[in-house]
Amino acid sequence: NAGVTQTPKFQVLKTGQSMTLQCAQDMNHNSMYWYRQDPGMGLRLIYYSASEGTTDKGEVPNGYNVSRLNKREFSLRLESAAPSQTSVYFCASSATGEVQFFGPGTRLTVL
Amino acid sequence: GDSVTQMEGPVTLSEEAFLTINCTYTATGYPSLFWYVQYPGEGLQLLLKATKADDKGSNKGFEATYRKETTSFHLEKGSVQVSDSAVYFCALTRSGSARQLTFGSGTQLTVLP
Repeated sequence: NAGVTQTPKFQVLKTGQSMTLQCAQDMNHNSMYWYRQDPGMGLRLIYYSASEGTTDKGEVPNGYNVSRLNKREFSLRLESAAPSQTSVYFCASSATGEVQFFGPGTRLTVL
Repeated sequence: GDSVTQMEGPVTLSEEAFLTINCTYTATGYPSLFWYVQYPGEGLQLLLKATKADDKGSNKGFEATYRKETTSFHLEKGSVQVSDSAVYFCALTRSGSARQLTFGSGTQLTVLP
């Protein structure tokens, strides 16, 4: 039982490059989330998926897109990376929405 | 909108000292309240929660009581250990289709031996 897994763990991009962050959970949870963590700002919600087939914007969606590929997988795409997107990205999943289980994070640097 | 305000850190304590990390919130209705902990290099994990007024959440010697009258959910531990060194996040969620979490900014705790 791996819980929530994320790939890659680290990534360096140049401005304008694109990439996809992958997330998978094996807990059969309906809801999945993408957050970014910046110093002194806690975690901010980028996008979430309440159930398979649905996605909704969170607090800071600009510059990102998501895909809920199936019940297990929820990916986050940066189409044209910007230095302001340098951050640590966390994926989470939840059965009820109240208790969320987090992955280990992806540390992204955009030069 | 909803918001969570946490005591600013960093906080440095000696082993066996008493810990309090303050957390207050602004929300309409009756949110559920949480403390999450992030150990170095890891993702967040739930430490404790409370879902209604006057509930006390507890885990691993940590406690927090849901105080509606003061809109607070302060985290306490009577005797901290070096292994408690981490970042602590207060959070809330309200009912809805996906129950989004709103986080405070986090408090870095360092416990010295």
